[in-house]
Amino acid sequence: EDQVTQSPEALRLQEGESSSLNCSYTVSGLRGLFWYRQDPGKGPEFLFTLYSAGEEKEKERLKATLTKKESFLHITAPKPEDSATYLCAVQAEGGSEKLVFGKGMKLTVNP
Amino acid sequence: GAGVSQSPSNKVTEKGKDVELRCDPISGHTALYWYRQSLGQGLEFLIYFQGNSAPDKSGLPSDRFSAERTGGSVSTLTIQRTQQEDSAVYLCASSPPSAGALIGTDTQYFGPGTRLTVL
Repeated sequence: EDQVTQSPEALRLQEGESSSLNCSYTVSGLRGLFWYRQDPGKGPEFLFTLYSAGEEKEKERLKATLTKKESFLHITAPKPEDSATYLCAVQAEGGSEKLVFGKGMKLTVNP
Repeated sequence: GAGVSQSPSNKVTEKGKDVELRCDPISGHTALYWYRQSLGQGLEFLIYFQGNSAPDKSGLPSDRFSAERTGGSVSTLTIQRTQQEDSAVYLCASSPPSAGALIGTDTQYFGPGTRLTVL
C-alpha cells in the first residue's frame, strides 16, 4: 500500500529562520510527488511536482528536492505569509490517477 | 481564468438525510477527482472521472456514496442516509488532458471545498 509520512506535524519558526519539512514515501513505482499549500478554509494550492530522484524545483523562498525515499521542502528566510499547512502527495505508476496524501505539516512563522 | 468551483461552501444536515455536493471543474479539464478531508487526517481519495472512461470508484467508503459526471463537465457527489462520521470537507479537483506518458503526471487543481456537518 502506498504511504506518505510528513514530519514534523507542526513547526513554529521566527521570521527569517530557515528550515526544512520532510516527506517520506513508499510507493510501488513513483509517477510524481506533489507539494501543495493549504490555507485555513481553502482548498490546496499547487506548489511543485517532482518526477525523479535528484530533481529540484524552486519558487520564491521555497525549494523542493526529491530522493528515492523522501522529499524535502526547504524554506529560506520565511515570512509570516508563509504560514500555512503544507501537504505532500504521491501518484503511483500503474494506471490509477489518485493522489495519496500525507497528513500535512502546519507551519507558523512569527514576526 | 476561473478555477474549480464547488457548491455549497457549507452544508449542515441531519443524520439520515441525503446530500448533494456540486463541482464545476476548470474549463477544458478532462479529469475530475473527489477527495475527503477529515479533521486531523490527510486528504482521502474517493472517486476519479476521466473523459468517457469508467470512473475509478475504489475510494468510495460505502455504497451510500455515489458520484456522477454529466456531459464530461459538472460532477455531483451524493451521500445517502448521512452519518455523523461523514462530517468532513469534500474537495474536488480537476486536471487537464494528459500530454502523454513522457511528459509526466498532470497537476490536480483543487476547489475550495464543501464543509459538510452531519448533526
